Amino acid sequence: SQTIHQWPATLVQPVGSPLSLECTVEGTSNPNLYWYRQAAGRGLQLLFYSVGIGQISSEVPQNLSASRPQDRQFILSSKKLLLSDSGFYLCAWGGQLQETQYFGPGTRLLVL
Amino acid sequence: KQEVTQIPAALSVPEGENLVLNCSFTDSAIYNLQWFRQDPGKGLTSLLLIQSSQREQTSGRLNASLDKSSGRSTLYIAASQPGDSATYLCAPLEDYKLSFGAGTTVTVRA
Repeated sequence: SQTIHQWPATLVQPVGSPLSLECTVEGTSNPNLYWYRQAAGRGLQLLFYSVGIGQISSEVPQNLSASRPQDRQFILSSKKLLLSDSGFYLCAWGGQLQETQYFGPGTRLLVL
Repeated sequence: KQEVTQIPAALSVPEGENLVLNCSFTDSAIYNLQWFRQDPGKGLTSLLLIQSSQREQTSGRLNASLDKSSGRSTLYIAASQPGDSATYLCAPLEDYKLSFGAGTTVTVRA
């Protein structure tokens, strides 16, 4: 069966520090991968998606970037965090057909 | 850009009452629509998926309807239980991307 992992689970970082969040998927190959952010009191916003290794599409201009170094690994990064980067970050995967997406447990990021 | 609205934003009911959660979306050219559940501080759990060609989908006490042409979906939860307390999210899918509403937070009182 397929499993999706995210780490760390929680993170407290000072403003201006770098960020690296990791997401890995097991039990499937060539998945579409997604990064979402959920700010306090707001809906989920799609940040990045990837249909293959090295292929990244950005949905909103921001302080963040994403990379996909391996088929089942998706990384969210920042060189310098802003206060507004605080939120709950969710990784998801979906198949090549447009069926459901499966979400990871999330990373809660607090930037102080 | 797809805009998703969920009404009401919050709902509190006594145990046993039926729940009706509404979702509207602006772009009807969707591939499917999904309903998710989110518990506090947790990820999302898929509840139901309705294909764009379907009008209705059922799973246990859950029933979701879809009127694609009018951009509406409704989630019905029968005989609510305290364990149904969570935030429910509606998400239409188009071009492999989900768009989310802000959700309806449900509290079922024992």
